[in-house]
Amino acid sequence: GIQVEQSPPDLILQEGANSTLRCNFSDSVNNLQWFHQNPWGQLINLFYIPSGTKQNGRLSATTVATERYSLLYISSSQTTDSGVYFCAVTGATNKLIFGTGTLLAVQP
Amino acid sequence: NAGVTQTPKFQVLKTGQSMTLQCAQDMNHEYMSWYRQDPGMGLRLIHYSVGAGITDQGEVPNGYNVSRSTTEDFPLRLLSAAPSQTSVYFCASSYSLTGNSPLHFGNGTRLTVT
Repeated sequence: GIQVEQSPPDLILQEGANSTLRCNFSDSVNNLQWFHQNPWGQLINLFYIPSGTKQNGRLSATTVATERYSLLYISSSQTTDSGVYFCAVTGATNKLIFGTGTLLAVQP
Repeated sequence: NAGVTQTPKFQVLKTGQSMTLQCAQDMNHEYMSWYRQDPGMGLRLIHYSVGAGITDQGEVPNGYNVSRSTTEDFPLRLLSAAPSQTSVYFCASSYSLTGNSPLHFGNGTRLTVT
């Protein structure tokens, strides 16, 4: 099946800093989503982005499908950005497979 | 606007007991799925359904059963609980897996098997 790798596995930032999270996948995809799991365990969908670029406030994402990776950019980070960021992909099946996530801690 | 509702929030079982985790969505979503989340393992797909009457296995289906008799409900059954099934379980739904259709998650069920 399709493999999903995320990097870095964890990241510590000072408030106000920018960061880039990466998601590599092993096969072509027709669905790619980014999620944020907050410290209370809730999973929130950030982007549906199988290709191209999208922006939502301080967050943006770019997927280069031909090179099999996606990037999530966080600008001017805030403590509320802390948590785990997951990407998830679907290839030729109906299985949405998750990476192991990037744990982000934003310090005041 | 309930979204995806999971019950119970917490459950403790003894080895060998059975139980059903409930999941309901009120968004008329065709696609529903169950994941388990373990430390360092991300979320792993247990079972999924693309519509009423249709279910299929995910990455880690052993020890779990599902059914989809209605569009709204997708219960997950543990037939004979084992300590290895201690985990946090998430139900999720979306209109489909094709097209701009984000996945919505419930708040999770924390299950401990002793």
